[in-house]
Amino acid sequence: KAGVTQTPRYLIKTRGQQVTLSCSPISGHRSVSWYQQTPGQGLQFLFEYFSETQRNKGNFPGRFSGRQFSNSRSEMNVSTLELGDSALYLCASAVQGNTGELFFGEGSRLTVL
Amino acid sequence: EDQVTQSPEALRLQEGESSSLNCSYTVSGLRGLFWYRQDPGKGPEFLFTLYSAGEEKEKERLKATLTKKESFLHITAPKPEDSATYLCAVQAGTAGNMLTFGGGTRLMVKP
Repeated sequence: KAGVTQTPRYLIKTRGQQVTLSCSPISGHRSVSWYQQTPGQGLQFLFEYFSETQRNKGNFPGRFSGRQFSNSRSEMNVSTLELGDSALYLCASAVQGNTGELFFGEGSRLTVL
Repeated sequence: EDQVTQSPEALRLQEGESSSLNCSYTVSGLRGLFWYRQDPGKGPEFLFTLYSAGEEKEKERLKATLTKKESFLHITAPKPEDSATYLCAVQAGTAGNMLTFGGGTRLMVKP
């Protein structure tokens, strides 16, 4: 059974640019969550989508957005990149709504110069 | 605001030397407390879910326990392959799959 797939794995951007990250969940999983991981702040929740609807949103500025498609694949977008957005962005999927048992991808490592 | 604090930040053990990792938490209406393991360059991997005080879960050399204010991850006779960062997270009652993570404990087991 294929795991959670995130693309791209690594990317470098400059301040002011925007970036789109993609996540393909495990087949049959309808919940997709996004987390940001940095050495200073650890893992922080960005947002969760379930059946194409945003169900929860973390405490991040509006520059961070996401969406989920009918096939459960998800994308997140960060506009007007800042140096502090450099991080590992992790996507996680779950079978159904509220178990908290998440299956994480290997992440997309974003470096902002 | 939900908070999770893990200690110690790092722990060095000799192979076979048992120890415990601590996770203290404050949360509005705990739905579940989770332990994950993260290897370098990988995403976290689910280990356990605990739902109520007094509950215990075991898997190989790991045993997780839960009280009303904290959780412990006991590692018995660890092996070098147990080296990883162990993350604790809580889920509030109405939070869907939104988890609040602690900073993690980086465990290094030397042969």
